[in-house]
Amino acid sequence: EIVLTQSPGTLSLSPGERATLSCRASQSISTFYLAWYQQKPGQAPRLLIYGTSTRATGIPGRFSGSGSGTDFSLTISGLEPEDFAVYYCQQYGASPRFTFGGGTKVEIK
Amino acid sequence: QVQLQESGPGLVKPSETLSLTCTVSGGPIDTFFWTWIRQPPGKGLEWIGFIHDSGMTDYNPSLKSRVTISVDTSKNQFSLRLTSLTAADTAGYYCAREVAKVGYRFDPWGHGTLVTLAS
Repeated sequence: EIVLTQSPGTLSLSPGERATLSCRASQSISTFYLAWYQQKPGQAPRLLIYGTSTRATGIPGRFSGSGSGTDFSLTISGLEPEDFAVYYCQQYGASPRFTFGGGTKVEIK
Repeated sequence: QVQLQESGPGLVKPSETLSLTCTVSGGPIDTFFWTWIRQPPGKGLEWIGFIHDSGMTDYNPSLKSRVTISVDTSKNQFSLRLTSLTAADTAGYYCAREVAKVGYRFDPWGHGTLVTLAS
């Protein structure tokens, strides 16, 4: 099983600041197989990024993804009020076919 | 655009069987993989399994002995059956479409339905 470890657990930032979230895999994965989601309280997760760096339809340009091998990151270049949420990375691989990281909460400082 | 909606009981009893249905609207159910994912209150996401309209399935090994996912293409629905429920199965249950072009991801998701175990 590929384990995804997200850090930090909580990120306290002010609107306008840059957020960098980390997702580390327990073994190397293809860049095709790494995605990111945003989840707000009481809502379902929303796809942000797939294939490590491709933004999903309708996702603003301030969201960007990068990485390779075992280290991946999601960057929000300037936090808007609506960006304060929990973010999850997800990978596709061997059994189980999909796993998620534990999440990073981005909260208002 | 494709939309998904979960339906089923919000309260179930330990040892009983949970049955949830996901109705797909705005697009066909065939040619895609359809997935169930759950999230215990205040915790992270766990992939349960998927089904293709051909009937092909794959399940999380941690739940495989208790899970069945089925599809009814005539109704544009797919369903989850989870047996021998315990308190650990209390969670929000989401259905989602798996997209497998240039990577694998879930989009869109249903709003989710909270299932609580209560005796």
